[in-house]
Amino acid sequence: AQSVTQLDSQVPVFEEAPVELRCNYSSSVSVYLFWYVQYPNQGLQLLLKYLSGSTLVKGINGFEAEFNKSQTSFHLRKPSVHISDTAEYFCAVANYGGSQGNLIFGKGTKLSVKP
Amino acid sequence: ETGVTQSPTHLIKTRGQQVTLRCSSQSGHNTVSWYQQALGQGPQFIFQYYREEENGRGNFPPRFSGLQFPNYSSELNVNALELDDSALYLCASSAPGTAFDEQYFGPGTRLTVT
Repeated sequence: AQSVTQLDSQVPVFEEAPVELRCNYSSSVSVYLFWYVQYPNQGLQLLLKYLSGSTLVKGINGFEAEFNKSQTSFHLRKPSVHISDTAEYFCAVANYGGSQGNLIFGKGTKLSVKP
Repeated sequence: ETGVTQSPTHLIKTRGQQVTLRCSSQSGHNTVSWYQQALGQGPQFIFQYYREEENGRGNFPPRFSGLQFPNYSSELNVNALELDDSALYLCASSAPGTAFDEQYFGPGTRLTVT
């Protein structure tokens, strides 16, 4: 069975500093991995995804993530954060249930960007 | 192109009551998945509907049920509400064959059970 662990529940950082949000996964099959962002009182927005190919994945808003199969990790990074990046970030792995599949999410990491 | 919409935005119910939440999928999407997001937690998969049939279910009791209509919109019904059912309920739609590639989430319905 697939599972996701987000290692930090909260990450405070100053504006323009780099940030890394950590995610480890467990899966016995081929892995599809995702990062979503949730702004206050809103639904989830896809930041980026890894399905196959290059292990370095670039997403929206300047975020990128690296798939590391040996360490079963998919950490999210941004070289310089903005106040507007303050949100909750969720790592997710695909689950092969039914013919369409669904997502298994971690518990989330709250990113707080301070001026 | 209209995105995924959900109604109502907020809802307050009493323990033991029944509730129906609605989701309109994005144009061209025939698959709808429902998730429950309790406070401080990540979303948990409830079930998925594909071509009007339930197509996968998470670890939720039978009092959670759903429907999908010919236009691919969907309903989530919860009977005999419990306090722990208080959560944000999210629906996500996806196009044929792209469940992981293009799963679009709605803004959610926040249900409070008192």
